Amino acid sequence: SQQGEEDPQALSIQEGENATMNCSYKTSINNLQWYRQNSGRGLVHLILIRSNEREKHSGRLRVTLDTSKKSSSLLITASRAADTASYFCATLMDTGRRALTFGSGTRLQVQP
Amino acid sequence: DAGITQSPRHKVTETGTPVTLRCHQTENHRYMYWYRQDPGHGLRLIHYSYGVKDTDKGEVSDGYSVSRSKTEDFLLTLESATSSQTSVYFCAISESPGTATALNTEAFFGQGTRLTVV
Repeated sequence: SQQGEEDPQALSIQEGENATMNCSYKTSINNLQWYRQNSGRGLVHLILIRSNEREKHSGRLRVTLDTSKKSSSLLITASRAADTASYFCATLMDTGRRALTFGSGTRLQVQP
Repeated sequence: DAGITQSPRHKVTETGTPVTLRCHQTENHRYMYWYRQDPGHGLRLIHYSYGVKDTDKGEVSDGYSVSRSKTEDFLLTLESATSSQTSVYFCAISESPGTATALNTEAFFGQGTRLTVV
């Protein structure tokens, strides 16, 4: 089963609005990462948050992590049509295996 | 794309035939990974490598084997392709030279290989 599950599965908003995506996971983690995938392309890293961090910012991105609830959220502020993509959370579990486990993703559509 | 090349980019093959996908990196990263992506499942780890000739299984390794004889190349082989292996396959790398640990490093992905087994 997936370590990370994103919610919602799909999100449609207007340009200029904020988009929030949530991720839940099951086991203890070392860090959590968010990736973006444009249609037909590979994944691109957006931001990494360590297990001892609670919030992180990068440009229009804000990520929060609540390890007690095993959840994270990705906020994209002032969205643009170019933000249209699928967004995935990925966790590096605290088990010694150095491989990311991905959720099923959120498809974001930003209407111009 | 961080110096990662997957080949071929597209392939159609028949059930029962062996297929090898290649991932080549020019970044000298220590870790290399093979994932498959299917609708509704996100990316699932098939196998990964943490050095030359050092590999380990992922969550969906049945029917797949890998080899890494050089730092830059990681091969994924479908021993006898089945229709359930129709998917998009992604290679990824992480841990650049000089990084003390792969714990807090990002992964870089190739463009993917679309494989269809008929």
